[in-house]
Amino acid sequence: EVQLVESGGGSVKPGGSLRLSCVASGFTFSSFWVHWFRQAPGKGLVWVSRINTDGRDTRYADSVKGRFTISRDNAKNTVYLQMNSLRAEDTAVYFCARDNFYTGFFSDSWGQGTLVTVSS
Amino acid sequence: EIVLTQSPATLSLSPGERATLSCRASQSVSSYLAWYQQKLGQAPRLLIYDASNRATGIPARFSGSGSGTDFTLTISSLEPEDFAIYYCHQRYKGFTFGPGTKVDI
Repeated sequence: EVQLVESGGGSVKPGGSLRLSCVASGFTFSSFWVHWFRQAPGKGLVWVSRINTDGRDTRYADSVKGRFTISRDNAKNTVYLQMNSLRAEDTAVYFCARDNFYTGFFSDSWGQGTLVTVSS
Repeated sequence: EIVLTQSPATLSLSPGERATLSCRASQSVSSYLAWYQQKLGQAPRLLIYDASNRATGIPARFSGSGSGTDFTLTISSLEPEDFAIYYCHQRYKGFTFGPGTKVDI
């Protein structure tokens, strides 16, 4: 069974840092690109970042560029999102999801999310 | 940035009725559009990809159509478990989502 499990969320003060992890199982992790999305409380879905299979190609939303860093460790089947200089507007549930060639490179499997709260 | 607009914002229907949800893009996204279903407290679930292809395990009552800037998700006969929020999502240029359509009773 394909599974993605996020962790690392929590409460942090503005300007602080967190590192989210997304551990994958049930598929050949190193063959799939992975995205991070987020959803502020009561709001819609927003794309945050994505990483290719070997970790050398990364992309970011303008809102997080220069503050967030996506990386992966294929030996550990894990993708990370290092979040620095956090702001109140970064408060959201963060989801990781894999792309799938067989679904037009749309994300077909998502984790359940981890909540990040940025507040003083 | 490609902006996706969904209508209506809320669709109030009863089980057994037909639901028609619309998604319009601010510029052409070709067929690089997907539909997701999300229930409260859950992750999004992929329903339709490339505008009209059902994802694995998705019932045939869900269908997608359109290309370019105008897309439609149709649920032919609503089941109780279909009451949820539906998002359209494009990956033609960047990655953006529509604001969602809530289908409720």
